[in-house]
Amino acid sequence: DVKVTQSSRYLVKRTGEKVFLECVQDMDHENMFWYRQDPGLGLRLIYFSYDVKMKEKGDIPEGYSVSREKKERFSLILESASTNQTSMYLCASSLTQSTGELFFGEGSRLTVL
Amino acid sequence: GEDVEQSLFLSVREGDSSVINCTYTDSSSTYLYWYKQEPGAGLQLLTYIFSNMDMKQDQRLTVLLNKKDKHLSLRIADTQTGDSAIYFCAAVKAAGNKLTFGGGTRVLVKP
Repeated sequence: DVKVTQSSRYLVKRTGEKVFLECVQDMDHENMFWYRQDPGLGLRLIYFSYDVKMKEKGDIPEGYSVSREKKERFSLILESASTNQTSMYLCASSLTQSTGELFFGEGSRLTVL
Repeated sequence: GEDVEQSLFLSVREGDSSVINCTYTDSSSTYLYWYKQEPGAGLQLLTYIFSNMDMKQDQRLTVLLNKKDKHLSLRIADTQTGDSAIYFCAAVKAAGNKLTFGGGTRVLVKP
């Protein structure tokens, strides 16, 4: 089974702090994604990556950056956290680029005070 | 861009059938998906349908696609308490796999 692991399930940070959310997948997938989930809004794509050291902006990249130094690891960075970034963050990976079969981690719930 | 809409909430009695509806705007969507999110967990793929199909059945799940109306539905037969979850509809075009998700439908199964 594919496993996508998000290292932090719950985080509480203060406004202005730098936040790292880590995601690791163990199935040698090329593609990795970061979404945020807010009630009623569904999942919105922040950034994605189709290869090591490659990144593409999703629909809501403002206030976020990412890093993909190794194939299995995709990190989401909030340079200066703000209260409107309080959300559930979901990492996902996929084998192919032609379909939408994604494997998700359990999520990281971030609260920014 | 693509827009995917779902109703927010559905309540159903155990043993009844559930029908979750979804509409999308981009007629060039090639794959349409249903994901399930149980409490405290990430999403898991339930089933999908290719755009040249009208229906797909998988055990208790039936997916119906009306391409003319851009309407997708998921029917769960004999709904169980374990089916209580949020269900997301999602669409993807042929080029790349940037999924567009709906807002999710929270299904509550009452005993």
